[in-house]
Amino acid sequence: NAGVTQTPKFQVLKTGQSMTLQCAQDMNHEYMSWYRQDPGMGLRLIHYSVGAGITDQGEVPNGYNVSRSTTEDFPLRLLSAAPSQTSVYFCASSVISYNEQFFGPGTRLTVL
Amino acid sequence: EDQVTQSPEALRLQEGESSSLNCSYTVSGLRGLFWYRQDPGKGPEFLFTLYSAGEEKEKERLKATLTKKESFLHITAPKPEDSATYLCAVQRIIQGAQKLVFGQGTRLTINP
Repeated sequence: NAGVTQTPKFQVLKTGQSMTLQCAQDMNHEYMSWYRQDPGMGLRLIHYSVGAGITDQGEVPNGYNVSRSTTEDFPLRLLSAAPSQTSVYFCASSVISYNEQFFGPGTRLTVL
Repeated sequence: EDQVTQSPEALRLQEGESSSLNCSYTVSGLRGLFWYRQDPGKGPEFLFTLYSAGEEKEKERLKATLTKKESFLHITAPKPEDSATYLCAVQRIIQGAQKLVFGQGTRLTINP
């Protein structure tokens, strides 16, 4: 099993550009989530999904969109990148929402 | 307001010098408390889940304990490879869904 994979590992964007961060898991987990990690802030939940076709907002959803068309994939879309979105983004999955979550290796995003 | 506070922010120990990390929380509807380890440039790695006051879990040199207000991660005779950031997260119910709220982490350095 590859576990949770994320691409790209690094990305630099200009303000206003859009992009999609990819996340995939091969563990047949129902629950998937996206977090951002900023210095001194801890991990904060952006969006989550309890199964294919179902998504909902976390603590900091503004500026981000998600969809979940398959169990395996949970992409995160930045619609119009802003410098405040400079962060490290982690995708995570778990069997169901109240089990331990397995995290991907992260995507380091810089918005200029 | 729900809060998870970890202390100290950073801790430097000599190899073999035992100590404890603290995670205090004020949340309603707590379902579980999680400990993760995070190495630089990587995603968090699951260590323990605790569900009720008085519960303890152990893994190698680590032992996690839980009370109604806080959790401790005890590190006994640490080795340099135990150096990492340790994250605490509480699981609670928000709008009918289970979500994790993370603390800011404790950066642990073990000197040989």
